[in-house]
Amino acid sequence: AQTVTQSQPEMSVQEAETVTLSCTYDTSENNYYLFWYKQPPSRQMILVIRQEAYKQQNATENRFSVNFQKAAKSFSLKISDSQLGDTAMYFCAFTFRTGANNLFFGTGTRLTVIP
Amino acid sequence: DTGVSQDPRHKITKRGQNVTFRCDPISEHNRLYWYRQTLGQGPEFLTYFQNEAQLEKSRLLSDRFSAERPKGSFSTLEIQRTEQGDSAMYLCASSPGTGLGQPQHFGDGTRLSIL
Repeated sequence: AQTVTQSQPEMSVQEAETVTLSCTYDTSENNYYLFWYKQPPSRQMILVIRQEAYKQQNATENRFSVNFQKAAKSFSLKISDSQLGDTAMYFCAFTFRTGANNLFFGTGTRLTVIP
Repeated sequence: DTGVSQDPRHKITKRGQNVTFRCDPISEHNRLYWYRQTLGQGPEFLTYFQNEAQLEKSRLLSDRFSAERPKGSFSTLEIQRTEQGDSAMYLCASSPGTGLGQPQHFGDGTRLSIL
């Protein structure tokens, strides 16, 4: 079975500070992609960052970066210089390289940025 | 690119009634997905279309659920004889048919409430 675990249901961070959201996953497959999605209150889910499992280099996207540890099956998200607009639910997810490419999601971390 | 649109945004109905939701994916996206998201959980995969072909259905999709994508463009998800447990947010997502691990683009969702 494929599982994604986000062990932090809620987190908060001061504006302009840095925060790290954790994610672990379990799969017996070797080829997959990992994602972080953001779901602001009452708004649609949008992609934050994407990581290809066969690439060792950690993905970065402006203020967002990941720490991907394939052996440990860990995929954490670091948000630097947090902004009020970062307040949202954050979901970690993965998909396989073959098949339907449907996403397997974690239960999410609710992040609040405090002014 | 007008994004993925879903209709209606909210649906309230009595137990036992039938409901139908519509999803319009991003034009030229071949892949279309339906997910269900209950309170406090991440989205769970329901079904997947490539063009007009429904290629995968999860075990969550009971025989009361049916999905179509007749011309490979918009899709409908119908729930017959609704039950209390069907109350959830139903999300639609689409992605291009080419390339591996393409991010999925989500709609705003349809929130279903069963009285």
